[in-house]
Order: sequence, then structure tokens, then C-alpha cells
Amino acid sequence: KAGVTQTPRYLIKTRGQQVTLSCSPISGHRSVSWYQQTPGQGLQFLFEYFSETQRNKGNFPGRFSGRQFSNSRSEMNVSTLELGDSALYLCASSLARAILSPLHFGNGTRLTVT
Amino acid sequence: EDKVVQSPLSLVVHEGDTVTLNCSYEVTNFRSLLWYKQEKKAPTFLFMLTSSGIEKKSGRLSSILDKKELFSILNITATQTGDSAVYLCAVVGGSQGNLIFGKGTKLSVKP
Repeated sequence: KAGVTQTPRYLIKTRGQQVTLSCSPISGHRSVSWYQQTPGQGLQFLFEYFSETQRNKGNFPGRFSGRQFSNSRSEMNVSTLELGDSALYLCASSLARAILSPLHFGNGTRLTVT
Repeated sequence: EDKVVQSPLSLVVHEGDTVTLNCSYEVTNFRSLLWYKQEKKAPTFLFMLTSSGIEKKSGRLSSILDKKELFSILNITATQTGDSAVYLCAVVGGSQGNLIFGKGTKLSVKP
């Protein structure tokens, strides 16, 4: 069974640009959640999508948004990039809601903002 | 404010040693506590704990939760170099029922 796939693996952008990250969950998983990981703050929850609806949102500004498609694939968008957005962005999928079942993580997208 | 605190932040041991990693939490509406192992990029699931006093075990790894004292421990016996990783503790809870992660414990096992 294929794992969680995130693309691209690496991304370099400049301040003010926007970026879209993609996540394909494990087949059959309906929940996709996104996390930001930085050395200072650790892993922080961004949002969760389940059956194409955003179910939960972390404490991030509105520049961070996402969506989920009918095949459960998800995208995350960050607009007006800031230097502080440089991080590893991890996507995770689960069979049920993320609060009810263990997460299966992808290898992440390393975003560098210059 | 909800928080999850892991200790120590880093640990260096030799192969064969036994280690205990700690995770304490102050989280409203606690639902469960999870442990993950992160070697390079993708964290992998180890345990989910919901009830106090019931030990979960998988090979050389075991974990237990104390809901009265608000902490969990992860034990690794007879450590191997392959156990070198960052161990993450996460608690499901808070006002929105989110996953709240600790900053992790970096374990280095030397041959």
C-alpha cells in the first residue's frame, strides 16, 4: 500500500510570493491534516480536512489555507510568503478523524523563503 | 494555554542502555496521548494511550499514561543504534480537539 505522498519535496520562494503544496493520502483514508515543523516551535497543527470539509484549524493567519478534493487529495496554499514561513510542512492522513486515529505522515515539503 | 512538555530535550546513550522519555501535559478536554518516532522526515506512529495505568508494549518499547499526574513515559530497553531519532509526544485535546505536540526528545544511541 502506497504511503502518504507529498510534492514537491523542496521549494525555494521569495518573500511576497505564494506557494501551493500537495498531499496524496493513503488509499481509503478520508482525513488529511497539515502541520508546520520548525526548530523553534516544533510541530504545529495547521488544519484538518475530512470529506472535503475543513474540520479544524490551528492558530495560523489567514494566509494559510487549504482544500480537499473528492479523491481525498489535499492542497495547502500560503500567500504573501514571509521569511518565518520557512519550515518543513508535513501532511498526515488517517482513516477516521485525526483526533480519533493514528496519523500516517508523508516525508514533507521543505519550504525555504528568501 | 494548552501545552505539552517533553524531557529531556536530548539524550545520548550507549547501545544496550535503557532509556525513559518523559511527556507532561496541561491540556483541557484531554482525549488521548500519542507517541511518534521521527528519524528523518516522516514521524511514524508508536502508541496511542487513552486510559491510565495500562501499559502499551511493542517489542523493546513500552509506554504508560498517568491521567491523574498528567504525564506519560516512553521506555526503550536494550537500545540499538536504530533507535536514534526524535521522539514526539502529542496530546489530543484543547478547546478545538486538536493535536498538540511537544518539541520532542532527540535520542542518540552510540555503538
